[in-house]
Amino acid sequence: KAGVTQTPRYLIKTRGQQVTLSCSPISGHRSVSWYQQTPGQGLQFLFEYFSETQRNKGNFPGRFSGRQFSNSRSEMNVSTLELGDSALYLCASSAGQGLNNEQFFGPGTRLTVL
Amino acid sequence: KQEVTQIPAALSVPEGENLVLNCSFTDSAIYNLQWFRQDPGKGLTSLLLIQSSQREQTSGRLNASLDKSSGRSTLYIAASQPGDSATYLCAVKSGSFGNEKLTFGTGTRLTIIP
Repeated sequence: KAGVTQTPRYLIKTRGQQVTLSCSPISGHRSVSWYQQTPGQGLQFLFEYFSETQRNKGNFPGRFSGRQFSNSRSEMNVSTLELGDSALYLCASSAGQGLNNEQFFGPGTRLTVL
Repeated sequence: KQEVTQIPAALSVPEGENLVLNCSFTDSAIYNLQWFRQDPGKGLTSLLLIQSSQREQTSGRLNASLDKSSGRSTLYIAASQPGDSATYLCAVKSGSFGNEKLTFGTGTRLTIIP
């Protein structure tokens, strides 16, 4: 079974631009979560989607948004990029919205904002 | 607010030694605890998942324990190998239903010296 895939793997953008990241979960998984990882803040939860609905959201500004499609693939969008948005963005999938489901992570998208 | 701490931040041990990594969390009302490893610039690999009702889980040379009442977990690695060198992260799932999320520790960077 293929793992979680994320595209692109690397991105370089300039301040003020917007970016869209994509995540394909493990086949059969319906829950997708997004995380931001930076050296200073570590891993922080962005949001979770299940069956095309956002069911949970972390403490990030409205510039960070996402969506999930009927095939469970998810996209994350960041508008009006700031230097501080440079980070490794990770997505994780799990089988369902059950509280005890194991999360499986993708390789991440490295975003650099200049 | 859940907070997860991992001490030490870095650890170096000679090959072949057994070692213990520590994880502590402030809110004992958790659903599960998951240990991950992360290689430089890569995503997270799930190692072990312990449900809140369990005391320990084992996989190969790895054994993770959970003491929910004291807010602690340990990851025991037996007969360490150079390939075990990585950053190890623990994460706890907690929060009210519909608002649960994974909270990560800052990790322990492990170096196995050949």
